[in-house]
Amino acid sequence: QKEVEQDPGPLSVPEGAIVSLNCTYSNSAFQYFMWYRQYSRKGPELLMYTYSSGNKEDGRFTAQVDKSSKYISLFIRDSQPSDSATYLCAMSAGANYQLIWGAGTKLIIKP
Amino acid sequence: DAGVTQSPTHLIKTRGQQVTLRCSPKSGHDTVSWYQQALGQGPQFIFQYYEEEERQRGNFPDRFSGHQFPNYSSELNVNALLLGDSALYLCASRWTGGETQYFGPGTRLLVL
Repeated sequence: QKEVEQDPGPLSVPEGAIVSLNCTYSNSAFQYFMWYRQYSRKGPELLMYTYSSGNKEDGRFTAQVDKSSKYISLFIRDSQPSDSATYLCAMSAGANYQLIWGAGTKLIIKP
Repeated sequence: DAGVTQSPTHLIKTRGQQVTLRCSPKSGHDTVSWYQQALGQGPQFIFQYYEEEERQRGNFPDRFSGHQFPNYSSELNVNALLLGDSALYLCASRWTGGETQYFGPGTRLLVL
């Protein structure tokens, strides 16, 4: 079993829909949780960063961490075609620890 | 701020050859990490450099080696290339006191 599980998709939704992306993990030591967006043939771009449990909102993006369930989510409101990309979750046990990544979910927003 | 830069952008090699990839970190960053990302997969951690020393290493063979220079730039060297080494190689940098890292665009390596 992988330390971080993420549905590879693809997930296809119409423009304007609310998108929910999720990851589950098995290592209870993880404290830092990140969501990255990666466009085709580009490097990952940091979207959201959360320490420990709770919610964090930034514009149309909301990140949630539920450490009791070992489950993290990224919500995208009012989705746009430009949001079409692969979304990767990543997490670590500490600031100087290596990141452990999910496989990424491919998201397609249909105009 | 130029962000993290990597060179070359693309590279084609044959089995058994050696390759060197280069990375310049974001301004103010002193810690550099290298990742391998196979098609359709998340990045896999190779190693991290700080103060010109390898500080952490992932589950990669000794064919993968690196170096960090006094200006914080870094190189990734891969010897005796295998077909399975074909991937996107990503460099990420951060300030050692910071909590988030920023990625470069990657070098796409194809081994034939």
